Amino acid sequence: AQSVTQPDIHITVSEGASLELRCNYSYGATPYLFWYVQSPGQGLQLLLKYFSGDTLVQGIKGFEAEFKRSQSSFNLRKPSVHWSDAAEYFCAVGAIFNFGNEKLTFGTGTRLTIIP
Amino acid sequence: DAGITQSPRHKVTETGTPVTLRCHQTENHRYMYWYRQDPGHGLRLIHYSYGVKDTDKGEVSDGYSVSRSKTEDFLLTLESATSSQTSVYFCAISEEPGAYEQYFGPGTRLTVT
Repeated sequence: AQSVTQPDIHITVSEGASLELRCNYSYGATPYLFWYVQSPGQGLQLLLKYFSGDTLVQGIKGFEAEFKRSQSSFNLRKPSVHWSDAAEYFCAVGAIFNFGNEKLTFGTGTRLTIIP
Repeated sequence: DAGITQSPRHKVTETGTPVTLRCHQTENHRYMYWYRQDPGHGLRLIHYSYGVKDTDKGEVSDGYSVSRSKTEDFLLTLESATSSQTSVYFCAISEEPGAYEQYFGPGTRLTVT
């Protein structure tokens, strides 16, 4: 079965500093990978996704992620964070479930705090 | 933003009472999902639907049932609520199976006392 590990429960970063959030997955085939962001009291919004092709994918809000098959990782990066980036971030992997329908398995999330 | 609404947004209920949460979409997407979100667990799939009257279980389906009689509505029912079902419930939709972007609703916070 597929699984996702986000090893950092909480990260604190200074505004303007760079950011990297870690995500490791376990899946027997080529996965579909996603990063979602959740602001307090809100639903989840897709930041970016990887299906195939270029292993460096660009997303919204200046985020990017790199798929590294050899490390089973899909880390999220941003060169300079803004106070509005404070939120919870979820990595997810897509996998076959039943009847050819795929489902997403989510990591437990990383909460990002931005300090002035 | 995708047209997804959830009702109610907040609910407090007592143990043993039935509860129904509603998800309504205006996007005409085929796939709909119910998740629960709990600290330390991320989002876990409860049930999903791949068409009208076509539903299947997710990883945490015990104590929950669903129904989908129209494309736009997906109902989640707790037959007899328990305190362990206190959670935030999210509905999501997608045009195609989960490899495609899932759009999430605003969530329903359910407290079972």
